[in-house]
Amino acid sequence: DGGITQSPKYLFRKEGQNVTLSCEQNLNHDAMYWYRQDPGQGLRLIYYSQIVNDFQKGDIAEGYSVSREKKESFPLTVTSAQKNPTAFYLCASSRDSNYEQYFGPGTRLTVT
Amino acid sequence: EDQVTQSPEALRLQEGESSSLNCSYTVSGLRGLFWYRQDPGKGPEFLFTLYSAGEEKEKERLKATLTKKESFLHITAPKPEDSATYLCAAQYNTDKLIFGTGTRLQVFP
Repeated sequence: DGGITQSPKYLFRKEGQNVTLSCEQNLNHDAMYWYRQDPGQGLRLIYYSQIVNDFQKGDIAEGYSVSREKKESFPLTVTSAQKNPTAFYLCASSRDSNYEQYFGPGTRLTVT
Repeated sequence: EDQVTQSPEALRLQEGESSSLNCSYTVSGLRGLFWYRQDPGKGPEFLFTLYSAGEEKEKERLKATLTKKESFLHITAPKPEDSATYLCAAQYNTDKLIFGTGTRLQVFP
């Protein structure tokens, strides 16, 4: 089955620790995205990548980092510099930036 | 500033009671208007893309329409399984989508 996988579904970390969220797609899409979703707010773009080995900051990139070494993978690291990391994180991909985005199931990160 | 506004925030319907959800967007430079459905604790599921005013798309009990300043998601004779949050997003002259905050729909039997 083609799709987007995110792991783990739930993640718990202590404050001050970095954590990496996984996102893999087998749709052969060029573009991949990371969003953050908080209650009462729209999805906010963290980082996006239109091609391997290239990525751009979104609207809320501070405290996050990404890599795009393979077309199918776009991991997100939440660093200790992110002030409010507890949130629902969504990964998406699209054929390119002119097409609809397809989302993964999400990772809920809780930092205490 | 480009933005997307959805209304109402929440909508309660009786099964079979048709209604519409609204998505207003900034007028200039729209490249595409997207509708998604999101169930609690899950990722959004793509429904429709609309590109130009007057365009309409349908899927089962859902129909999306687009005017020059807003989009509507019409739900005809809804069923309890249509209960979800419906998100719209607009793409302007960039590679990014701007999402609204969603309409939470509850359909009661």
